[in-house]
Amino acid sequence: SAVISQKPSRDICQRGTSLTIQCQVDSQVTMMFWYRQQPGQSLTLIATANQGSEATYESGFVIDKFPISRPNLTFSTLTVSNMSPEDSSIYLCSAGGQSMNTEAFFGQGTRLTVV
Amino acid sequence: AQKVTQAQTEISVVEKEDVTLDCVYETRDTTYYLFWYKQPPSGELVFLIRRNSFDEQNEISGRYSWNFQKSTSSFNFTITASQVVDSAVYFCALSDLDRGSTLGRLYFGRGTQLTVWP
Repeated sequence: SAVISQKPSRDICQRGTSLTIQCQVDSQVTMMFWYRQQPGQSLTLIATANQGSEATYESGFVIDKFPISRPNLTFSTLTVSNMSPEDSSIYLCSAGGQSMNTEAFFGQGTRLTVV
Repeated sequence: AQKVTQAQTEISVVEKEDVTLDCVYETRDTTYYLFWYKQPPSGELVFLIRRNSFDEQNEISGRYSWNFQKSTSSFNFTITASQVVDSAVYFCALSDLDRGSTLGRLYFGRGTQLTVWP
């Protein structure tokens, strides 16, 4: 099974600043996903990051606010830009498996608080 | 469109009771995967089970068991003899296959907060 390392695990940030979250997978994966979990809510997909192409964003999420990079098959970053308290959430990255018999792996999550 | 419904927002039980968490899903795909995850207060998602749409056999793993019924589009999760350490939020999720072969994004239910009292 793949291991996903996500960092930072938590951060407290000032409003108006930006935070970049890193996600490293220990094996090559085709697709990586970024989810947001607002307090007390379920997980919502922000975008899908494919290597070598622009990320695909879900409705309600835009590249200017959540720029994503995917420079290779094992790494991706999500930046939360110009943060406001409404961005306080847990952000999780996930990797899509290569075969039909694999789980969806998740990083440990980044708990972000914007003050 | 894909949709997962977990109608139970919160469940409280006393230790050693059995508890069932319900999950109902909607999809037009014939090939899909269903998942259960546990999220303790620390926030990470702990994988519990994956089941593909062609395998309707029920599964048991220790105190955990899962009942998959395609006829009712349900994938329910039962914890037998619950323990305080089972207290967490449990998510049911559905995934389709991207381009027919690679696991795609997950669609999550709203989650069920399970509290087990000593």
